[in-house]
Amino acid sequence: RKEVEQDPGPFNVPEGATVAFNCTYSNSASQSFFWYRQDCRKEPKLLMSVYSSGNEDGRFTAQLNRASQYISLLIRDSKLSDSATYLCVVNTAGGGADGLTFGKGTHLIIQP
Amino acid sequence: EAQVTQNPRYLITVTGKKLTVTCSQNMNHEYMSWYRQDPGLGLRQIYYSMNVEVTDKGDVPEGYKVSRKEKRNFPLILESPSPNQTSLYFCASSSPTHYEQYFGPGTRLTVT
Repeated sequence: RKEVEQDPGPFNVPEGATVAFNCTYSNSASQSFFWYRQDCRKEPKLLMSVYSSGNEDGRFTAQLNRASQYISLLIRDSKLSDSATYLCVVNTAGGGADGLTFGKGTHLIIQP
Repeated sequence: EAQVTQNPRYLITVTGKKLTVTCSQNMNHEYMSWYRQDPGLGLRQIYYSMNVEVTDKGDVPEGYKVSRKEKRNFPLILESPSPNQTSLYFCASSSPTHYEQYFGPGTRLTVT
């Protein structure tokens, strides 16, 4: 089983709709979870960290389900500018550069 | 402005001709990493460094070398590039207490 799995998509979603996608991880000892956004041919950038209690940042909500070992990202009222690839990142070690595992990303296309 | 810079941004070279991709960060971060990104394979870590003079192999280190003589710089060296090293390369840095990775703009390398 792969360490971090994501549905590659693409998810084609009309502007204004709500879209959600999940990411599953295999290591139950994983400690930290993140969503990164990557625009085409650009560098990944942190979108949000995922906390145990769930967290919200504007139109974006991230949730963690430790029992089922997945994290989710919900985008409400989607905008054309939300079109990007969303990378799930899991940290399985004590922190820092040595324990990060990236998912392959979910491609989201918001259509006018 | 806090940033990670990489040079060159684009490089076309021939098999066997040694090359170096430079990476520099101005955030005084201890952790630095190199990744390569290939279609269908996602981001894979090549090498990482947890501090000056401390480097370690990531998931795909074969054919690459790194050095960390100064905190701000983390060059990636390809002693004898081969076509299978054609890829998009990202350098990243982070602090040990904050897991956010800051990525450079990427270097697109083609080896013919």
